[in-house]
Amino acid sequence: AQSVAQPEDQVNVAEGNPLTVKCTYSVSGNPYLFWYVQYPNRGLQFLLKYITGDNLVKGSYGFEAEFNKSQTSFHLKKPSALVSDSALYFCAVRDGSGAGSYQLTFGKGTKLSVIP
Amino acid sequence: DSGVTQTPKHLITATGQRVTLRCSPRSGDLSVYWYQQSLDQGLQFLIQYYNGEERAKGNILERFSAQQFPDLHSELNLSSLELGDSALYFCASSEGTDDYYGYTFGSGTRLTVV
Repeated sequence: AQSVAQPEDQVNVAEGNPLTVKCTYSVSGNPYLFWYVQYPNRGLQFLLKYITGDNLVKGSYGFEAEFNKSQTSFHLKKPSALVSDSALYFCAVRDGSGAGSYQLTFGKGTKLSVIP
Repeated sequence: DSGVTQTPKHLITATGQRVTLRCSPRSGDLSVYWYQQSLDQGLQFLIQYYNGEERAKGNILERFSAQQFPDLHSELNLSSLELGDSALYFCASSEGTDDYYGYTFGSGTRLTVV
């Protein structure tokens, strides 16, 4: 079975400071990893993904994420947080080897609050 | 606008009733996925259809059913509703069945059971 853990329910950061939202995963094969963002009363929006290649993935709105195979982590980062980044962030995984589920399994989400 | 259309946006109904949620996928996408989002359970995968056929089932209750029609829109039917069924129901679509590009989500249908 595949699973995702987002250990922090909420992350608070001051505007202009760097932010990190943590994610660890478990799959039996090769991980395909995703980050989505959800604003209030909206659907999930795709931010970035890791399939293969460079461990540092760059995505929308200045976000990036680093894939670490040994630590089975895929933390979301941004060098300088904006108030408009305040939202709910979801990490998701699927097994890319074909042995597991093709559906995305999501973490429970982390609420990011950027304080002016 | 993501290209995935869900109707209605809000639905209030009584316990024991039946409702139908509708989803139109993004143009060109053949797969439709249904997810339930609740405060305590997070995002739970319910069911996937690909080009009219059921592809995978997740944590979907027997009281719930879905189908995908020839025009590729999908409907999620929820019956004998209980208070605990109150949640946001999301539809997502993707191009294929084994899609590593991720999904495009609709804005969701907020179901309130009273």
